[in-house]
Amino acid sequence: KQEVTQIPAALSVPEGENLVLNCSFTDSAIYNLQWFRQDPGKGLTSLLLIQSSQREQTSGRLNASLDKSSGRSTLYIAASQPGDSATYLCAVWGNNRLAFGKGNQVVVIP
Amino acid sequence: GAVVSQHPSWVICKSGTSVKIECRSLDFQATTMFWYRQFPKQSLMLMATSNEGSKATYEQGVEKDKFLINHASLTLSTLTVTSAHPEDSSFYICSASVAGEAYGYTFGSGTRLTVV
Repeated sequence: KQEVTQIPAALSVPEGENLVLNCSFTDSAIYNLQWFRQDPGKGLTSLLLIQSSQREQTSGRLNASLDKSSGRSTLYIAASQPGDSATYLCAVWGNNRLAFGKGNQVVVIP
Repeated sequence: GAVVSQHPSWVICKSGTSVKIECRSLDFQATTMFWYRQFPKQSLMLMATSNEGSKATYEQGVEKDKFLINHASLTLSTLTVTSAHPEDSSFYICSASVAGEAYGYTFGSGTRLTVV
């Protein structure tokens, strides 16, 4: 069974600092990995999708890397803003399903 | 982009009653939709995979008779929580993909169910 772990569970940073969010998974036989953002009481917004053959994806201030062999992905958010405050979820697709971590809860302090 | 609409956003019901949650793919057809449940500060847990025109596939430990799933068209899947109890109170989210897992998944806005 795929286990997805996200560290740290929660963090607070001052505005302007870079954010580094970590995700690890136990089964490297994944098809792809997706990072989502979830605001309180809301659904999930897809941020980045990395195919298993790719090493990274970038979108604006966001960059996600994938090391499939070691079972790790990192989401970098440059120059954080208060609007980046949310929970970030990592999910891996394999065995016909998405397996989620518990999320990184981020607070960016103005 | 692909949009998945989920309704209602929140619902409060009495114990013993049934509640239906709808999940619609607005601008694409979805042969497969997924239903998840999320407890506070926890991961999304897959409840079932909904397949258009056939029976849903339930995850181990999910009661089929309690969580009825119907996927009668390529744009609509429904989850009915039957004889709801307070322990069924949770956040339910559906998802679908435009063209399969290679393109990632789009999620609905979720439904907060509170059973009193």
